Amino acid sequence: GQQVMQIPQYQHVQEGEDFTTYCNSSTTLSNIQWYKQRPGGHPVFLIQLVKSGEVKKQKRLTFQFGEAKKNSSLHITATQTTDVGTYFCAGLGRDNFNKFYFGSGTKLNVKP
Amino acid sequence: DVKVTQSSRYLVKRTGEKVFLECVQDMDHENMFWYRQDPGLGLRLIYFSYDVKMKEKGDIPEGYSVSREKKERFSLILESASTNQTSMYLCASSFLQGFGNTIYFGEGSWLTVV
Repeated sequence: GQQVMQIPQYQHVQEGEDFTTYCNSSTTLSNIQWYKQRPGGHPVFLIQLVKSGEVKKQKRLTFQFGEAKKNSSLHITATQTTDVGTYFCAGLGRDNFNKFYFGSGTKLNVKP
Repeated sequence: DVKVTQSSRYLVKRTGEKVFLECVQDMDHENMFWYRQDPGLGLRLIYFSYDVKMKEKGDIPEGYSVSREKKERFSLILESASTNQTSMYLCASSFLQGFGNTIYFGEGSWLTVV
């Protein structure tokens, strides 16, 4: 079945360093969404990418959707302690518009 | 603001007990989901529903059932709880559209089966 793989599983960075997490799907996606889950919290929507090759920015966060719509990345420039949490990608399958396939998440720890 | 409310935040149940996890959303969303979250495994879809009385199996439906008698309410049922069902359970909802459905999550229910 469809799978979305996400790497790395964990990342520890010093405050001010950059961070990137990657998602790869076994099949072409209709769109991809990114979520952030703070420690002890629930996932919260960050952004959605729909078009092939799309790039979107939110302050220090840059999101990319691959040309083949099978991979995506989230890059954080100059991390801050407020970036701590787990970042999930969620791909919407082309076969079922109701079913999102979540990556396993990347847990980011930022040392001050 | 969209609100997805899960009735119980923390539960401790005994092996073999029947467990009900309730979820209510207030945004008239068609889609509702139950996920399970375990360390290193991310979010795994148990069941989802796109309409009242409709349900579809997710990736790990074994040992679970669901009920959706009203649009705003989606229940997850563990017929006979087992220790390997100890986990955090997340309910979520979204609109039914081609794409562009932001998923809204509840706060989560921490279930411990002893």
